[in-house]
Amino acid sequence: DQQVKQNSPSLSVQEGRISILNCDYTNSMFDYFLWYKKYPAEGPTFLISISSIKDKNEDGRFTVFLNKSAKHLSLHIVPSQPGDSAVYFCAASAIAGNQFYFGTGTSLTVIP
Amino acid sequence: KAGVTQTPRYLIKTRGQQVTLSCSPISGHRSVSWYQQTPGQGLQFLFEYFSETQRNKGNFPGRFSGRQFSNSRSEMNVSTLELGDSALYLCASSLVGHEQYFGPGTRLTVT
Repeated sequence: DQQVKQNSPSLSVQEGRISILNCDYTNSMFDYFLWYKKYPAEGPTFLISISSIKDKNEDGRFTVFLNKSAKHLSLHIVPSQPGDSAVYFCAASAIAGNQFYFGTGTSLTVIP
Repeated sequence: KAGVTQTPRYLIKTRGQQVTLSCSPISGHRSVSWYQQTPGQGLQFLFEYFSETQRNKGNFPGRFSGRQFSNSRSEMNVSTLELGDSALYLCASSLVGHEQYFGPGTRLTVT
């Protein structure tokens, strides 16, 4: 059973516009959420995280929003750049443990 | 600080054989997790080790096993390989309760 879901396998965005990647989860025990970026032939790279005590976290061009009531989080990239083209994974865990559940990924293409 | 390293990077094995993959975590990280990545399936959690003990285990058959040494290095073993075991195997290390840092992965092909 997939506890973390990314329902959009792919997304294309024009350079300079906003990219919005979405993620849904089912387990109400999750209280720590992360986004990773993955290029081909490389391991995922940590981007940004958010704990359940917050509803927003920003780091430069990247902002993660958490809606606990809807069990939904999103990653906004503004402005999008061609170098952002990669597969993005969201992940979740209950801080009490150290097991992370990953979504299936969204492939982002930023068109120059 | 050196990142997570995994060896070998590529491996080709035949059905029925066994394989051992190695992971060296970031210095100071005592938690090591293993994942299997296949197309369309995302990252599937295999197991997590902390201080030489397996703390969490995913839903994989007993052919998949692992261990962690006193220096936090970890190995993953797959016995009686099947074609469906072809995947990218990723190792990640972390401080407990924090983000995981991934190695480049080992690409296993079973023929």
